[in-house]
Amino acid sequence: QAQLVESGGGVVQPGGSLRLSCAASGFTFTNYGMDWVRQAPGKGLEWVADIWYDGNKKQYADFAKGRFTISRDNSKNTLYLQMNSLRPEDTAVYYCATDFTGGYFDSWGQGTLVTVSS
Amino acid sequence: DIQMTQSPSALSASVGDRVTITCRASQSISTWLAWYQQKPGKAPKLLIYKASSLESGVPSRFSGSGSGTEFTLTISSLQPDDFATYHCQQYASYPYTFGQGTELEIK
Repeated sequence: QAQLVESGGGVVQPGGSLRLSCAASGFTFTNYGMDWVRQAPGKGLEWVADIWYDGNKKQYADFAKGRFTISRDNSKNTLYLQMNSLRPEDTAVYYCATDFTGGYFDSWGQGTLVTVSS
Repeated sequence: DIQMTQSPSALSASVGDRVTITCRASQSISTWLAWYQQKPGKAPKLLIYKASSLESGVPSRFSGSGSGTEFTLTISSLQPDDFATYHCQQYASYPYTFGQGTELEIK
């Protein structure tokens, strides 16, 4: 059974940076694409970025391009999201999710809350 | 970007009712559609992928149908555990996009 545990969320000022991590276990991490999806308080789900199983291809939502970087360390079974130039509208719970066959999300972590506020 | 529109946004129903939620895409997505269930304070859970394929472990009272631009999620007989928010998601093309969600409440 896949287990995903996010960490690294917190309160940050506008313009600041955070790095989120997602520790994976219970499945063969190197076989899976991985994604980040976020949910602002009281709002719907919003896809952020994804990365192929080998890290060779990445895709981003427009709001993330140039500010966020998705990466993975397959030796540590860990997914990352580096977020720079954060804005109040980036305030959300950030989930990592597995993406085995390309595009839908089989398993999800519990989420980590990012609050961008002065 | 492909816009996904769910209807209704909220729905009141009783245990035992048959419920249908609709999701419309702004352009054809073939059958590249997934449905998720989310309970308050919890992560979403995959129910249906490829429009009509039931994820392992999901009760058979859940079913999905549709292709192109119109899709439905049906719960054949509502159970107390089914009161939650339901989201559709297209994965035909980047950026992946979700519907705004349908909140299913107890009548």
